[in-house]
Order: sequence, then C-alpha cells, then structure tokens
Amino acid sequence: AQSVAQPEDQVNVAEGNPLTVKCTYSVSGNPYLFWYVQYPNRGLQFLLKYITGDNLVKGSYGFEAEFNKSQTSFHLKKPSALVSDSALYFCAVREEGLYNFNKFYFGSGTKLNVKP
Amino acid sequence: EAGVAQSPRYKIIEKRQSVAFWCNPISGHATLYWYQQILGQGPKLLIQFQNNGVVDDSQLPKDRFSAERLKGVDSTLKIQPAKLEDSAVYLCASSLAYQREAYEQYFGPGTRLTVT
Repeated sequence: AQSVAQPEDQVNVAEGNPLTVKCTYSVSGNPYLFWYVQYPNRGLQFLLKYITGDNLVKGSYGFEAEFNKSQTSFHLKKPSALVSDSALYFCAVREEGLYNFNKFYFGSGTKLNVKP
Repeated sequence: EAGVAQSPRYKIIEKRQSVAFWCNPISGHATLYWYQQILGQGPKLLIQFQNNGVVDDSQLPKDRFSAERLKGVDSTLKIQPAKLEDSAVYLCASSLAYQREAYEQYFGPGTRLTVT
C-alpha cells in the first residue's frame, strides 16, 4: 500500500535561513511524488512534482525538492525562507489505479513557521 | 482562468441532519476529486470522477455519503445523516484528465463542516 510520512508536525525557521520540510514515502513501483502548500482558509496549491529524471526538482516560489531513492525521501527545501512562506505543507504520492487512473495519498502535513 | 469553485464555504448542522456541498471545476477538466480533510490530517480521497462516471469510490462511506456529477461538469457531495465524526473540510479538486501525464490537481477553497 502507498503511504507518505511527514515526521515533523511543525518546523520553525528564521527569515533568511534555509528551510527543509521532510517527507518519506512507501510505494510499489516507480514513485511519483508531489508537494502542495495550503494557506489558511484556502485550498491546496501545487508546488512541484517528481516523476523521473533529475533528483533535484525546482518548483514555484523558489522551492525545490530532492528525491532520494535509497532513503525513500522527498524533502522540500528553500535556500532562504520568507515570512510569507509560513503555511501548511503536504507531501503526496501517486498510485496508479486501474486503467491508469491516478490516485493520490497525502501526508499529515507540516506547519512551517518563518519568524522575522 | 477561473479556479475551482465550492459552496457553501461554511456549514454548521446538527447530527442526523443532511447537508450538500457543490463544486464547479475548472472548465475543461475531465477529472474531479472530493477529499475529506479532518483537522490535523492530510486530505483523504472520498470519490473520483472521470467526466460523469465514478472511477474510485472505495473510501466513500456509502451508507451515508453520496456524490454525483451530472453532465460531467459540476458535482454535488451529500451526507445523510451526518455524524459528529463528519466534521471536516471537504475539498474539491480537478485535473485535466485521468491519464498518467495529468498529475497536477487544482483545489477549491473547501467547505468547512461542523456537526454538533
């Protein structure tokens, strides 16, 4: 069965410092991995995805994620955090269902707090 | 382009009452998802439509939840009768197609349901 783990409920970082939000996964077959961000009272917004190719994936708002197959991880990173990055971040994995339908499993989320 | 629309944004009902949520996906998006997001958890897929057909409803509590997508455009999710544990945010998402290349989901703002 597919699963996603986000081991940290909350991450605190000072503005200007690098940030990392952790994600590990369990999937049968090739991993298709995603990061979404959720701001208060809003739906989830797509940040980036890993399907194949380069292990370092670049996404929206300066975020990037590093895929590590041996460690089954897909950590979200940003070199310099902004206060406006404060939000809830979700990692997700895709399962290929019957007839190639996509089914997504989400982690429990990590709250990122960036302090001025 | 217009995003995914959902209504109402908030709903408070008593247990055993019924409630309905409406979703209008992005124009041209063939795939529509309904997720349940309980506080402190990631979104959990309830049902997935491809046009007006159900692709996956394996996690939908069918004794009380129902959903339809008439004409393959907007969709309604209903709960009857509601239980306390149904208190959650109900998210609607859409994507271009179900096939393996179409991964990015676009989420609506959600409907926050409180059952008292």
